[in-house]
Amino acid sequence: QLQLQESGPGLVKPSETLSLTCTVSGGSSSSSTYYWGWIRQPPGKGLEWIGNIYYSGNTFYNPSLKSRVTISVDTSKNQFSLKLSSVTAADTAVYYCVTISGDPYHFDYWGQGTLVTVSS
Amino acid sequence: DIQMTQSPSSLSASVGDRVTITCRASQSITAHLNWYQQKPGKAPKLLIYGASGLQSGVPSRFSGSGSGTDFTLTISSLQPEDSATYYCQQSYSRPFTFGPGTKVDI
Repeated sequence: QLQLQESGPGLVKPSETLSLTCTVSGGSSSSSTYYWGWIRQPPGKGLEWIGNIYYSGNTFYNPSLKSRVTISVDTSKNQFSLKLSSVTAADTAVYYCVTISGDPYHFDYWGQGTLVTVSS
Repeated sequence: DIQMTQSPSSLSASVGDRVTITCRASQSITAHLNWYQQKPGKAPKLLIYGASGLQSGVPSRFSGSGSGTDFTLTISSLQPEDSATYYCQQSYSRPFTFGPGTKVDI
């Protein structure tokens, strides 16, 4: 059973870079079975797809965030990461790491989520 | 971007009721439609993929149907543990987008 766990600072200052890591257990981040991705949810609001990466390194980002987002994978550590630059209060959200699989694509495994607050 | 809408935004029903939630896409997404259940403080959970495929481990009282632009999630006999918010999501084209959610109270 695949398990995902997010980690990273819970508080980030405006204009700085948000950095989160997702650790994969019960499977391999080098697997060709999945895409690895990130989704966020502002408090009390809906879900927003941020982007995803394939084991080969190919990335796909939400155009609304593309200029600020980088997703990478470290297969040696069985982890993948999210960096979001120049954050504002609007980036305050619970961030989930997910797997994307199947045809059609669906988000089948989710981390528990981590709240990141942007505040000075 | 493909816009997703859901109706109703919330509903209240009783144990044993049949509940139907509707999701509409702003353009045809064929059967690239997934449904998720989210309980307070928890991550969403995949219920239905590809419009009608039941995810492993999900009770059979959940079912999905539809194609093109109109889709439904049906709970055939509502149970207390089904109290949650339900989201539809399209995977036809990036950016993948979600509906605003339907809150189900029991």
